[in-house]
Amino acid sequence: EPEVTQTPSHQVTQMGQEVILRCVPISNHLYFYWYRQILGQKVEFLVSFYNNEISEKSEIFDDQFSVERPDGSNFTLKIRSTKLEDSAMYFCASSEGLQGASNQPQHFGDGTRLSIL
Amino acid sequence: RKEVEQDPGPFNVPEGATVAFNCTYSNSASQSFFWYRQDCRKEPKLLMSVYSSGNEDGRFTAQLNRASQYISLLIRDSKLSDSATYLCVVNMIPSGTYKYIFGTGTRLKVLA
Repeated sequence: EPEVTQTPSHQVTQMGQEVILRCVPISNHLYFYWYRQILGQKVEFLVSFYNNEISEKSEIFDDQFSVERPDGSNFTLKIRSTKLEDSAMYFCASSEGLQGASNQPQHFGDGTRLSIL
Repeated sequence: RKEVEQDPGPFNVPEGATVAFNCTYSNSASQSFFWYRQDCRKEPKLLMSVYSSGNEDGRFTAQLNRASQYISLLIRDSKLSDSATYLCVVNMIPSGTYKYIFGTGTRLKVLA
């Protein structure tokens, strides 16, 4: 079964540094997403991405964050000038993005654990 | 009112029991609803989509009540392996784009 893959599985970074989290969505999917989950808290929507541009974003997704699809397979989340509170599990997901279909289940990668020191 | 709200539990039930969870959502125009399960420190995994007419997948039944703005999940004949956190997910955008909001999750423990 096709799956979403994320790298690295664990990233340790000094506060103030930039970090790039990488994802390879399922190949025929058109919609991509990033979520974060702080330990012990709920999964929080960050951003959805379609047709090479941001579709929706949350209040969390401020100027510190950016997303990019640099080639035909990768989808990246960049966090500039990381803060201690950015420590969390970051999940990438993708969905088919069928036109007119309301129920578009997402498939998740197994996450990148980001630890800011 | 929170966008998506769930009782955090935990629900402790014996094997073989039937258990039900509810989830309320704030946007009456929402069109897409899902149940996911999440095991400790793992990614969410799709359990089932929720359709207007209700739907069933083996021991799992999902219902949507638009008038009262809630969805439900019923698990029959609980197994030890059903122990997990069950996440309610709602697309808060009525159509065309996607902004999926998760509830806090309901923890289920099935006891031998």
